[in-house]
Amino acid sequence: EVQLVESGGGLVQPGGSLRLACTASGFTFSRYWMSWVRQAPGKGLEWVANIKQDGSDKYYVDSVKGRFSISRDNADNSLYLQMISLRAEDTAMYYCARALLQLEPYDAFDFWGQGTMVTVSS
Amino acid sequence: EIVMTQSPATLSVSPGQRATLSCRASQRLSSNLAWYQHKPGQAPRLLIYGASTRATGIPARFSGSGSGTEFTLTISSLQSEDFAVYYCQHYNAWPRTFGQGTKVEIK
Repeated sequence: EVQLVESGGGLVQPGGSLRLACTASGFTFSRYWMSWVRQAPGKGLEWVANIKQDGSDKYYVDSVKGRFSISRDNADNSLYLQMISLRAEDTAMYYCARALLQLEPYDAFDFWGQGTMVTVSS
Repeated sequence: EIVMTQSPATLSVSPGQRATLSCRASQRLSSNLAWYQHKPGQAPRLLIYGASTRATGIPARFSGSGSGTEFTLTISSLQSEDFAVYYCQHYNAWPRTFGQGTKVEIK
């Protein structure tokens, strides 16, 4: 059974940092592009970033470029999102999600975690 | 950035009736479009990919159509469990973007 479990969320002050993690199981993690998607309270879904199987390609939404960094450890079946210079508008539930097809950036997301909440507030 | 615009924002439908949701892209997408169902407190659920292919385990009452810039999700006969928010999302270019969502509510 495919499972994605996020962790690392919490309350952080504006300008602070946080590192989110997503632990994958039930599939060959190293064969899939992986993404982070977020949902601010009362808002819709927003794609944040994705990363190629070997970590060699990474893409970000403009609003997080230079502040967020996506990475992965295929030996540990883990995906990460390092967030610095956090702002109130980064407050959201953060989900990790798997691309549908192996080896392709085919970002129809067929499996999602339950999310981890990040709150940026003083 | 490709802007995805969904309409209507809210759709009031009686159980057993048909629901038609629209999604418009600001640029041509080929067929690189997905639809999701999202309920409060749950992870989003992939319904349709490739504009018209149902994902694994998705009931036949869900269907997707369209190409280019105009796409449609149809729910042929609404069941109680279908009342939720629905999002379209493209994966034709970076950044991937979602529509703002259509809430399907009980009439």
